Amino acid sequence: GENVEQHPSTLSVQEGDSAVIKCTYSDSASNYFPWYKQELGKRPQLIIDIRSNVGEKKDQRIAVTLNKTAKHFSLHITETQPEDSAVYFCAATTGNQFYFGTGTSLTVIP
Amino acid sequence: DAGITQSPRHKVTETGTPVTLRCHQTENHRYMYWYRQDPGHGLRLIHYSYGVKDTDKGEVSDGYSVSRSKTEDFLLTLESATSSQTSVYFCAISGTDYEQYFGPGTRLTVT
Repeated sequence: GENVEQHPSTLSVQEGDSAVIKCTYSDSASNYFPWYKQELGKRPQLIIDIRSNVGEKKDQRIAVTLNKTAKHFSLHITETQPEDSAVYFCAATTGNQFYFGTGTSLTVIP
Repeated sequence: DAGITQSPRHKVTETGTPVTLRCHQTENHRYMYWYRQDPGHGLRLIHYSYGVKDTDKGEVSDGYSVSRSKTEDFLLTLESATSSQTSVYFCAISGTDYEQYFGPGTRLTVT
């Protein structure tokens, strides 16, 4: 089955700086890659996704890039704010089962 | 939030007792999932369903069973709860566009 690895496990940045979280996957058949944000005690929330026919997608301060050849995808958050502090999860799927990374705890220091 | 509810939201039970968690959706989505979330492990798939009466195992299915008799309901049963099944359980749904949305979660404690 698919194996998704996520790095780093923890990340601290100063407010206003950028944050980058990286994930790798093993199954070349995976074709959909979502990112989730989970605040303490809350459910994971879908924040952005990318499909295998696209190399990059942007939504305001967040962007995701996909390199199918290297089998990795990354989440980029620019101009970070304290409310960006949360745990972020990446995932990969061929359409049925979703495989998640183990999460990155992001802390934005005011 | 997508129309997903879970019940109960919190439960404490004793080792060896059966437990059933319910997930209900109002989105008419085809796929429904049960995950457990534990520190250091992220979200791990227990079982999923791709239609009424159509289910399949995930990576951590031992000790769990599921049923889906209606499109809107997906039940997770712990036949005989053990302390290792203490966790937060999330239900999720997705449609043909793959976008997956999570329910509010159920915190289960097995004593």
